[in-house]
Amino acid sequence: DAGVIQSPRHEVTEMGQEVTLRCKPISGHDYLFWYRQTMMRGLELLIYFNNNVPIDDSGMPEDRFSAKMPNASFSTLKIQPSEPRDSAVYFCASSRGLQPQHFGDGTRLSIL
Amino acid sequence: QKEVEQDPGPLSVPEGAIVSLNCTYSNSAFQYFMWYRQYSRKGPELLMYTYSSGNKEDGRFTAQVDKSSKYISLFIRDSQPSDSATYLCAMSATNYGGSQGNLIFGKGTKLSVKP
Repeated sequence: DAGVIQSPRHEVTEMGQEVTLRCKPISGHDYLFWYRQTMMRGLELLIYFNNNVPIDDSGMPEDRFSAKMPNASFSTLKIQPSEPRDSAVYFCASSRGLQPQHFGDGTRLSIL
Repeated sequence: QKEVEQDPGPLSVPEGAIVSLNCTYSNSAFQYFMWYRQYSRKGPELLMYTYSSGNKEDGRFTAQVDKSSKYISLFIRDSQPSDSATYLCAMSATNYGGSQGNLIFGKGTKLSVKP
């Protein structure tokens, strides 16, 4: 079975640019989570969806961050405008019901 | 006090050693406990999951939960160089999937197994 697929794997861009991260969850999973991982703060939950509906976005750091899930097989996390402090590894994870989450391999984002 | 504390290491052991990785937590409501393994430049991969107190064994891996002490452990027997990775504990009050967005992760312990 294909796992959670994220793209791009790496993104380097200049401050002020718009960044779009993409995620394809595992087929049949009804929960989708976006995390950010840094050395200082570890894994932090940004937002999660259930059946394509955003449930809790309290972890989104600022209005510059937004996330959408237009259908069960695709989600995006957008940062506009990007800042150097947004540099991190962003992970998408999905789960079916109450079962453990499965993670993608992340997008390593560098904002110059 | 943070909800979940995990010694970041790094921890270096010789091949064949028994490894003990630990997390402590403060929230007595946690009932679901997980261990994830994360290789360099990869996503966390679920290794073990347990409910409430007790032990669970899977091959060379044993997960232990002591709710009275708010302490969980992962033991790796006969450690191999391929076990070199960062190990993250995770826990939730309600279910394994954190479907209320309440899956809390430790920061991870970096393990290196030397041949």
